[in-house]
This record gives sequence, C-alpha cells and structure tokens, in this order.
Amino acid sequence: QSALTQPASVSGSPGQSITISCTGTSSDVGSYNLVSWYQQHPGKAPKLMIYEGSKRPSGVSNRFSGSKSGNTASLTISGLQAEDEADYYCCSYAGSSTHWVFGGGTKLTVL
Amino acid sequence: EVQLLESGGGLVQPGGSLRLSCAASGFTFSSYAMSWVRQAPGKGLEWVSAISGSGGSTYYADSVKGRFTISRDNSKNTLYLQMNSLRAEDTAVYYCAKVILVWQQLAGPLPGYMDVWGKGTTVTVSS
Repeated sequence: QSALTQPASVSGSPGQSITISCTGTSSDVGSYNLVSWYQQHPGKAPKLMIYEGSKRPSGVSNRFSGSKSGNTASLTISGLQAEDEADYYCCSYAGSSTHWVFGGGTKLTVL
Repeated sequence: EVQLLESGGGLVQPGGSLRLSCAASGFTFSSYAMSWVRQAPGKGLEWVSAISGSGGSTYYADSVKGRFTISRDNSKNTLYLQMNSLRAEDTAVYYCAKVILVWQQLAGPLPGYMDVWGKGTTVTVSS
C-alpha cells in the first residue's frame, strides 16, 4: 500500500480536461508545500511535470497545472492530447525520517 | 545538458551484493543532493535513499535501511548505491535523480523534488 492515495486510472477524450487526486496526511501533503508530479511513459524514466504543488518546469506545457487543498493535491491536464497518455505519480516530502513518499500511480488513458 | 547515467545492474542471487553507479554530467555535481528511486516490475515508484551534496548526510527508506549504503565521489561526479543482503523484493529498475532543495520558512532547506532522472538500471534478484 502506497503512502499517498491516487486513483488507479482516469480517462478522457482529446480536448477534454481531467484531474488526478493525491491524498496524503497531515504528516506529508498537509504539512509541506512540497508536492511534485511525475509523468512516466512505458519503459521510460519519470519526468518532472509539477513541483512545489503548482509550479511548472521550463518546457512543460501550460496545459498541466497543480493545486493543493488540505491533505489532497491535484494534477489537472487540460486540452488532453494523445501524447499525455502515461502513468502519473505524485510525491511529497514527509519529514526527515520518512523523506519522500509516492502515490501508487494513475494510468491516464486518452480515448 | 544535464545527464545522469546509471550502470551496475544485473542478475544476483538472494543474499548477494551489487553496487550501482550513476555518472553525472552537465552540472556542478557537488552542489546538489542526489537520490535513488526504484520501480519493481509493474509497480509504482518507491524512494530508496538520498545523500547531501557533501555526502555528509544520508537517508534511507525503512525497506533498505541496514542493507543499502548510498555514497558519492564528487571528484568523479559519481553517485553509488551499495546493495547487500539482496532479496527478491529488491528486484526493480533503479533510477538516480538530481534533488532540488526548497527553502521552507521555519524548516530551512528541505528536499523539494527530483528534477532530472537517469534512464535506470535493472536489478534482478533470483536464484
């Protein structure tokens, strides 16, 4: 069982928007503004998409956005495109002993 | 261009040892904390270990504490993961990643996120 809870799968049609939730606790997501999101295509390394909850690295499309409310973080992808089909993982700092915790991952299918 | 290249993976018997390496280029290696993250076949990502830029501070997941040792050689721009007493459940792709520290009010600099990842190296523990 992963420390952070994500839905196993979400789907949407091209052009639509989807949101992936990531629920943690007051010891991780709720305590720090240090949630990051990673995209992983099959057989590839993870790629940073969102950091510090809502910031986008240079080169990441502005169709990707992040937010947080309480112990739950969210990743929203607007204007879905075929290339967005991938696995998405949330990650949060969880204190000096635990360090980082990941969500179980969400498989995004673009219909 | 910032690059990370892992090596050292392979097939090892239960109870055996393996040392992974991660060669870094394109950035001032000693200025950044580094981390190892693994992914078992068909499973999600799991943080394994992290080390400060100087190498003076190390951190481990409970699942590997006492069996794995992270280290770095800043003169060689290389990160290592020494894995001992390997178990079947250690079978995974192991990624190294560059860590960005984020300043948090009251807490100081904390591990914020991993901005660059290597392609990974596969470790299989089986008899």
